[in-house]
Amino acid sequence: AQSVTQLDSQVPVFEEAPVELRCNYSSSVSVYLFWYVQYPNQGLQLLLKYLSGSTLVKGINGFEAEFNKSQTSFHLRKPSVHISDTAEYFCAVKRGNQAGTALIFGKGTTLSVSS
Amino acid sequence: ETGVTQSPTHLIKTRGQQVTLRCSSQSGHNTVSWYQQALGQGPQFIFQYYREEENGRGNFPPRFSGLQFPNYSSELNVNALELDDSALYLCASSLVTTNTGELFFGEGSRLTVL
Repeated sequence: AQSVTQLDSQVPVFEEAPVELRCNYSSSVSVYLFWYVQYPNQGLQLLLKYLSGSTLVKGINGFEAEFNKSQTSFHLRKPSVHISDTAEYFCAVKRGNQAGTALIFGKGTTLSVSS
Repeated sequence: ETGVTQSPTHLIKTRGQQVTLRCSSQSGHNTVSWYQQALGQGPQFIFQYYREEENGRGNFPPRFSGLQFPNYSSELNVNALELDDSALYLCASSLVTTNTGELFFGEGSRLTVL
């Protein structure tokens, strides 16, 4: 069975510092990988996705992620965070290209940015 | 372009009652998925509907059921509510023909079971 592990439950950082949110997945087949963000009292918004091709993926709000097949990782990074980046971040995996299959989410990482 | 809308936003029920949650999918999307997000957890897949039929289900008991209507809107029904059903219920729509797994989420319905 596939699974997603987000290695840090909480990440506190200061404004303008770089940040990395770590995500590992387990799968024996090709996967599609996603990062979603959830602001307080809101639904989830897609930050970026890896489907194929370049292993470095750029998303919205200055975030990027790198797919590493050998390490089964998909870490999310931002070189300089803002107060407004404070939110819950979820890594998710979809198995291949089969219709009707679900996204499997990690438990989330709370990013807290302070001044 | 109209996004995913859910209703009600908040509701309180007691154990044993039944609840119906509603979702309107994003314009042009023909697939609807439902997720349960317990406090402090990631969303968990309940089921997915395409062409008014369930075409995928997670590890949830039969008292969780759903419907999809010809206009692609959807309902989630939960019977015999239990305390552990307290959660944020998220609806997500997608276009199955793209099959990339990208989902567009509503803001959720927060259910409290007392």
